[in-house]
Amino acid sequence: AQSVTQLGSHVSVSEGALVLLRCNYSSSVPPYLFWYVQYPNQGLQLLLKYTSAATLVKGINGFEAEFKKSETSFHLTKPSAHMSDAAEYFCAVMNSGNTGKLIFGQGTTLQVKP
Amino acid sequence: ETGVTQTPRHLVMGMTNKKSLKCEQHLGHNAMYWYKQSAKKPLELMFVYSLEERVENNSVPSRFSPECPNSSHLFLHLHTLQPEDSALYLCASSQFRASGNEQFFGPGTRLTVL
Repeated sequence: AQSVTQLGSHVSVSEGALVLLRCNYSSSVPPYLFWYVQYPNQGLQLLLKYTSAATLVKGINGFEAEFKKSETSFHLTKPSAHMSDAAEYFCAVMNSGNTGKLIFGQGTTLQVKP
Repeated sequence: ETGVTQTPRHLVMGMTNKKSLKCEQHLGHNAMYWYKQSAKKPLELMFVYSLEERVENNSVPSRFSPECPNSSHLFLHLHTLQPEDSALYLCASSQFRASGNEQFFGPGTRLTVL
């Protein structure tokens, strides 16, 4: 069965510091992987996705993630945090041969301190 | 209107009421989804519709009744809800069986059951 684990329900960084949000997945087949962001009182917005092309994926707002099969990881990074990055971030996995079902992690709340 | 819209954005109802949530997608997709987002829990997939046919029902109580009259509209009919059903209900759409295609989310309906 597929699953996603996000390490750390809360991450706090200073403005300008590196952002690292961790995601590990479990999948018996090559997965598709996604990072979504949710701002308060809004739905989820796609940041980036991995679909078996390049292992380093660039997304919106300066975020990127690297697919590491050996570590079953898909960590999200941003070199320099901005106050507007404060939000909840969700990692999700989808099987390559399935019906489009997404399995989400429990989410990580990113706090950015001035 | 663009993307995925949901109405109402906020809903307060008593346990004996009957209400409906509405979702509309303007993306030309052929699949629509209902998710429940509760505090401190991962997003829970409730229902999946593809080409107006329900293809997944994740053991959701019968007090939640979905309806998909066409590929652009999705409803969630609510009756005799419980306080623990209070949550953010998110609708999403995607292109079914298009590998790696992401889901696009609406802003959600914040439901409070008194």
